[in-house]
Amino acid sequence: DAGVIQSPRHEVTEMGQEVTLRCKPISGHNSLFWYRQTMMRGLELLIYFNNNVPIDDSGMPEDRFSAKMPNASFSTLKIQPSEPRDSAVYFCASSQPTSSSEQYFGPGTRLTVT
Amino acid sequence: QKEVEQDPGPLSVPEGAIVSLNCTYSNSAFQYFMWYRQYSRKGPELLMYTYSSGNKEDGRFTAQVDKSSKYISLFIRDSQPSDSATYLCAIWKTSYDKVIFGPGTSLSVIP
Repeated sequence: DAGVIQSPRHEVTEMGQEVTLRCKPISGHNSLFWYRQTMMRGLELLIYFNNNVPIDDSGMPEDRFSAKMPNASFSTLKIQPSEPRDSAVYFCASSQPTSSSEQYFGPGTRLTVT
Repeated sequence: QKEVEQDPGPLSVPEGAIVSLNCTYSNSAFQYFMWYRQYSRKGPELLMYTYSSGNKEDGRFTAQVDKSSKYISLFIRDSQPSDSATYLCAIWKTSYDKVIFGPGTSLSVIP
């Protein structure tokens, strides 16, 4: 299995621009998680989906952030408009139906907003 | 009080040393305890997973849980330079609850 796939791996954009991060979970995993990691705040859960349905989006910082999961094999996290404080590494993770604590992380997208 | 706390380090040890990494948590409702390892510029990967109090061993790694003290530990025996990474403890209640990650401890094993 290729593992969790994220794209792009690096993104540099200017403040005010729209940013879209993409994730392909491991086949057969029905839970998908979006995290943000910074030195100051560590690893923060933004939102997670179960069977393509958002279960908990309480970690989404502002209305500028939105996430979708149109099918079992694809999810997006969008930031519009982006701000410099959004600079971080964004991870996608997935897990099997019976064990959402055992999460498999993708390589992350390193976002820099100037 | 944060739900899970962890000394961020950095921790630097010589090769072959025994390493002890620790976390405390605040809510006794948490039942599942994990350790994730994160290499530089990589995503975290699950290292150890325990449910009950006591010890769980996997090769050079031992995870220890003391629910009465709300204290979890990871021991690494005969540490190797390849163990150099950030170690995140994580706690979880049950299905449909989110996993809570500690801030991570940065470990360097010096050859």
